[in-house]
Amino acid sequence: DTEVTQTPKHLVMGMTNKKSLKCEQHMGHRAMYWYKQKAKKPPELMFVYSYEKLSINESVPSRFSPECPNSSLLNLHLHALQPEDSALYLCASSQDPSETQYFGPGTRLLVL
Amino acid sequence: SQQGEEDPQALSIQEGENATMNCSYKTSINNLQWYRQNSGRGLVHLILIRSNEREKHSGRLRVTLDTSKKSSSLLITASRAADTASYFCATPSGSRLTFGEGTQLTVNP
Repeated sequence: DTEVTQTPKHLVMGMTNKKSLKCEQHMGHRAMYWYKQKAKKPPELMFVYSYEKLSINESVPSRFSPECPNSSLLNLHLHALQPEDSALYLCASSQDPSETQYFGPGTRLLVL
Repeated sequence: SQQGEEDPQALSIQEGENATMNCSYKTSINNLQWYRQNSGRGLVHLILIRSNEREKHSGRLRVTLDTSKKSSSLLITASRAADTASYFCATPSGSRLTFGEGTQLTVNP
């Protein structure tokens, strides 16, 4: 199974809402990632988890809060987002951070 | 900041033609990866080429790596309409994977 799943596929939220994005992989990968991607741009790294511990936070605003409940799951909690946070949010996993990353289909987020 | 730069930014060809995309990077690497992204979807890994390799093939894909020039190219032969997508090169640096700006390929039927 080389699949990374993400839910929901689409999300519309207001600036006062709290929502969560979920990501799951069953490949036994030890590293998991959150990326943000704007239209016609490459993915931008947000967070890296290694062995269920946060190893990289790319100076992401605190309104984005990652969580890794276990080695297969990765969440991204959203609170008080801004319209400029509207983007495609991608989750990925890999056995080693320098090797191939496997991406989920993404969550298309619209903040109103 | 993004390490990789790709050119062209956009490429439009006819079905059956070959498409070549180039990627340049700044720092030393132990591998370089190419990914494809169909519109609004996740990225799909195509090929990983290691720093001690000069060329690698996978089906209709051929990747070259020139570490002296810090550049790589992706060749898609006999293109199909289904190859229409954005193509990104990516280089690892520590626990980070840095993506180039991407090439948008359009294959016209």
